[in-house]
Formats: sequence, structure tokens, C-alpha cells
Amino acid sequence: DAKTTQPPSMDCAEGRAANLPCNHSTISGNEYVYWYRQIHSQGPQYIIHGLKNNETNEMASLIITEDRKSSTLILPHATLRDTAVYYCIAGDTGRRALTFGSGTRLQVQP
Amino acid sequence: EPEVTQTPSHQVTQMGQEVILRCVPISNHLYFYWYRQILGQKVEFLVSFYNNEISEKSEIFDDQFSVERPDGSNFTLKIRSTKLEDSAMYFCASTQGLQYGYTFGSGTRLTVV
Repeated sequence: DAKTTQPPSMDCAEGRAANLPCNHSTISGNEYVYWYRQIHSQGPQYIIHGLKNNETNEMASLIITEDRKSSTLILPHATLRDTAVYYCIAGDTGRRALTFGSGTRLQVQP
Repeated sequence: EPEVTQTPSHQVTQMGQEVILRCVPISNHLYFYWYRQILGQKVEFLVSFYNNEISEKSEIFDDQFSVERPDGSNFTLKIRSTKLEDSAMYFCASTQGLQYGYTFGSGTRLTVV
């Protein structure tokens, strides 16, 4: 799996968009970018994934740069419940395991 | 929304004892996983299981660990002789295909004393 780099922590005001960056400069052509989050000690929760195109679902949007070396997860209207550790993972769908890094601790402030 | 169910939520065991952690993956999922997270540390991959056999395992998954899908619905992780350092949250996950996200369970907190 390609290595990913994320800032260790970020703050966001409630109701504002949270933009979480991720660098994956060594990503290969068949590796997807996956985003998960972990709220306190709960099990990780899948958010979204993409290969080349930008993706949007009911939880978030994923913007991937044209060269695929970085991406941004966007939570459009952050709430206090979005306070969590967010993990960006580059993975090949042919590989079974996900490798979790340290992630970004997002604190949504009231 | 379908869930991955793990039992028990918390297990305390004596060092050297065997434990079995249980998981019920989502019914139409085909790929199953165990991960663990020692308190304050990263989520670590243990093992993946597909088509009734282990497809990948990490260095952590040594001879003390085994997995089984005994009846087509349950997926278990057995630790034969627990050590203090096995104390962790253990998460089960499943997915219907490798191009989809994983669904994780809420975990079993294992405390070895």
C-alpha cells in the first residue's frame, strides 16, 4: 500500500465545512483512496472511497487531484458528532488488508 | 442498516486461558477480517478470510491465533493461550467485495489479567 500522510489534528467550527487533507504521492494506478473514521473507541466506520474521479455520498465528498498524489475529504456541515479520528488509506482492491495510520483527529467546536 | 455484531462486548480472562471472540458478519458479505487496537495505538490488521480459508495474515497472527467460520454465519477468533499483551479491542469486519468499504463491528474489549 502507498504511504499516506495526514495532519495529526484539526479543528473545525460546528456548521462549517471540514476539509481533511491527505498526501499519497506514491500511490499506484490501481490503488484506491479510502476514508474511514473512528469515534472514540468504536469500530472504524467507512466513509467513502475513490480511484480518480471525485466522489460524493450522503456522508462526505472526496476530491482527488488530477495527478492522484493527494486528496481531500470534505464534511460539508460538520456537527459535534463528526468529532473523530479520520483515516486516509491507499489500498489495492486486490489486497485484503487495510493499513491504518495515525489519522487526523478532527475536533468540531461548538 | 445491516450491522456486524460482535460478542461479548467485554471479556476478562486469566493469562494462559483460551478465549473465543465471536462475530456475525453481514449476511451477503464474502470477505471477513479481524483487526485489533491496543489502547492508544493504531488499528492493526490480524487476518483476512475468504472462501473458508485464510487469505492473508499479519506477523501478529502467530500460532496462538486461529479463525473459523463454523456454521456459515459466525466468524470466530480464538486465542489459545492469552498473554498480557493480547489485551486490546478486537474488531471484526466484513465486505461484499474488495471494491467496497468494510463494515466494522463495535468490537470486543479483551482484558488479560
